[in-house]
Order: sequence, then structure tokens, then C-alpha cells
Amino acid sequence: EVQLLESGGGLVQPGGSLRLSCAASGFSYSNSDMSWVRQAPGKGLEWVSFISHSGITYYADSVKGRFTISRDISKNMLYLQMNSPRADDTAIYYCARGHFSAWGQGALVTVSS
Amino acid sequence: DVVMTQSPLSLPVPLGQPASISCNSSQSLLYSDGNTYLHWLQQRPGQSPRRLIYQVSNRDSGVPDRFSGSGSGTDFTLKISRVEAEDVGVYYCMQGSHWPWTFGQGTKVEIK
Repeated sequence: EVQLLESGGGLVQPGGSLRLSCAASGFSYSNSDMSWVRQAPGKGLEWVSFISHSGITYYADSVKGRFTISRDISKNMLYLQMNSPRADDTAIYYCARGHFSAWGQGALVTVSS
Repeated sequence: DVVMTQSPLSLPVPLGQPASISCNSSQSLLYSDGNTYLHWLQQRPGQSPRRLIYQVSNRDSGVPDRFSGSGSGTDFTLKISRVEAEDVGVYYCMQGSHWPWTFGQGTKVEIK
């Protein structure tokens, strides 16, 4: 069974930093592309970042230069390093496999002082 | 960026009746490899999104056959042949053919 489990969410101050993690299991993680998608409270879905199985990365303009996606193949882990978060980064962050064939349960990130 | 426009944004449907959601993209979603990376997602209340349809018309595993997708180029449609209570939620189209990947605004399906 494919499983994605996010962790690391919580309250962070504007300008601080936070790292989200996503543990993957039940599929060939090393051969899979992965993404982060977020959903602000009461709003729709917004793609945030992508990393290919070979390590190529893409970012939404809204997070470029502040967020970094990475992966540890040996641990089947996906990460999102969030630096200098802003209030409008407050959202549930989901990790997803490939072209969104599987999703995690989400991790809530609240950016507030 | 490719803008994905869904209509309607709200869709009240009587149980057992059909429903149709339209999705229009600002650019063709036909990718250079010949595939069209237009997918449909369902988000039930309080749940994570779930993919229903990938590459326009392919149902994901476990998705009931009352769901179907069609279209090409810039115009796409998700149809539910007979709406059931478990179909309540928000439906999103999204494109993975052009960077950045983008989503439609979402269509809220409710029982009338």
C-alpha cells in the first residue's frame, strides 16, 4: 500500500524557518518524482515544488528563493525547508507522488508572531 | 503560467442525476511526448485530495466507473453519470504539462 506521511508542521514566526518531512513507503521511491502542494485555510490547491527521481527541482514563483525541496533516497524521505516564511505561507502542506497519484494526510503550517 | 478555469464553481445535483464539470486551459496541454497531462482530483470534506482521472480520461484504481473524463487541447470535462452521496466535495482539474503546474479554482459538488 502506498503511504505518504508528513511531519514537522506547526507554528513558526515570520522570518523564521521550518522543515517539513514526508516519509514514503509502499512504492519504488527512488524511481518516483515527488511534489509539495499546499492549501491555505478555506482555499484551493496550490502547487509549491517538485523534485524528479533524478533530482531536478522546480518551484512556484511564490516560494522561489525561500523554500528548498530535497530528498533522501536511502531513507525514503522527502523534505521542504521553509526559510523566511510569511503569513501567506500559512496552509496545510501535502506531499504527493508523481502526477499526484498518491497524497499524504497533510501538515499544518501556521506563520504568525 | 497556464490558467485553469473551471465551471461551474458550485454544482448542486439531485441524487442519481448526472453532473458535468468543465475545465479550460489558457494553453494547449498537449505535451511534446504526445501525452496530455490533465488530471482530475476529488477532495471530500476534511480529507486529502485524491486523484480520480489522469491524462484526461484514465480512471485511477478503485475509482467508480460513473466517473469519466474527456477532452483535448484546452477543453476538458469531468462527468459523473449518477451522483451519489459520497461524491460530495470539491473537484479540481490540474495540468502537469507546463511549469509551473497549476490547478483550477475547484468546483463544489453538493446534493440538491
